[in-house]
Amino acid sequence: NAGVTQTPKFRVLKTGQSMTLLCAQDMNHEYMYWYRQDPGMGLRLIHYSVGEGTTAKGEVPDGYNVSRLKKQNFLLGLESAAPSQTSVYFCASRIGRTWAGSRNTEAFFGQGTRLTVV
Amino acid sequence: AQSVTQLDSQVPVFEEAPVELRCNYSSSVSVYLFWYVQYPNQGLQLLLKYLSGSTLVKGINGFEAEFNKSQTSFHLRKPSVHISDTAEYFCAVISLYGGSQGNLIFGKGTKLSVKP
Repeated sequence: NAGVTQTPKFRVLKTGQSMTLLCAQDMNHEYMYWYRQDPGMGLRLIHYSVGEGTTAKGEVPDGYNVSRLKKQNFLLGLESAAPSQTSVYFCASRIGRTWAGSRNTEAFFGQGTRLTVV
Repeated sequence: AQSVTQLDSQVPVFEEAPVELRCNYSSSVSVYLFWYVQYPNQGLQLLLKYLSGSTLVKGINGFEAEFNKSQTSFHLRKPSVHISDTAEYFCAVISLYGGSQGNLIFGKGTKLSVKP
C-alpha cells in the first residue's frame, strides 16, 4: 500500500518554464490537497478537490492550476514558473466529507517535491 | 474562516525536560484538531487528533494534547523529551460545517530542538 506518492521529488526550473506535479493516492480518498511549505510560513493551501472532476481555490492559488480527472490523481501545474514559486510542495488526501462523529479524518501526506525556480 | 496560531516558532529544550507547544485556533463552527510532526526532509505524519469525547488525547511517541474549548486551545505536551523528538510540529484544524468545511488549515509550525 503506497499511500500518497508525489512525482518528481526534486526539480529545477528556469523562470518562465512550465511543469506539472503529480500526486497519486491508492486509498480511494475523495479529498485531495496541494500545499506549499516555506520557512516560517507553515503549510499554505494552494488548491483542493472534494472529488473527481472538482477543484477549488485555497489560500494561495495564483500562478497555479490543478486538475482531478481521475479520483486517484491530483495534478498541480505551473504555467510560467517564477522564483517566488520556489518551495516544497506537499500533496495530501483524506477520506472525504467530515461530519460530527467521523473517525477517519486525518490527512495522509506525500514526501514532498522540492522545486527551485532560477 | 478558521485559523490556527502557534505561539512559538522555536522551542529549545534539554533532553529529559518537559515541553509544551502551544496552539490556539479560531473558528465559528465546531472543529476537529490535529498535531502533525515533520522530521527533516520528510513529509508530515499524524501525532494525535481530537474529535470528541475526552479532552485529553494521547498520541504516538509519548505525546499528549488537551483540548480547551473555552480558551480555544489545543496545546501539545510531553513529560520528558528525547533527542529524537527534534522536529517541526504543526497544529491543524478542520471545520465541520460551513463554506470551508473539510479544509485542513495549518499553523506556521514550531521547531522543537532537543539538546543533550
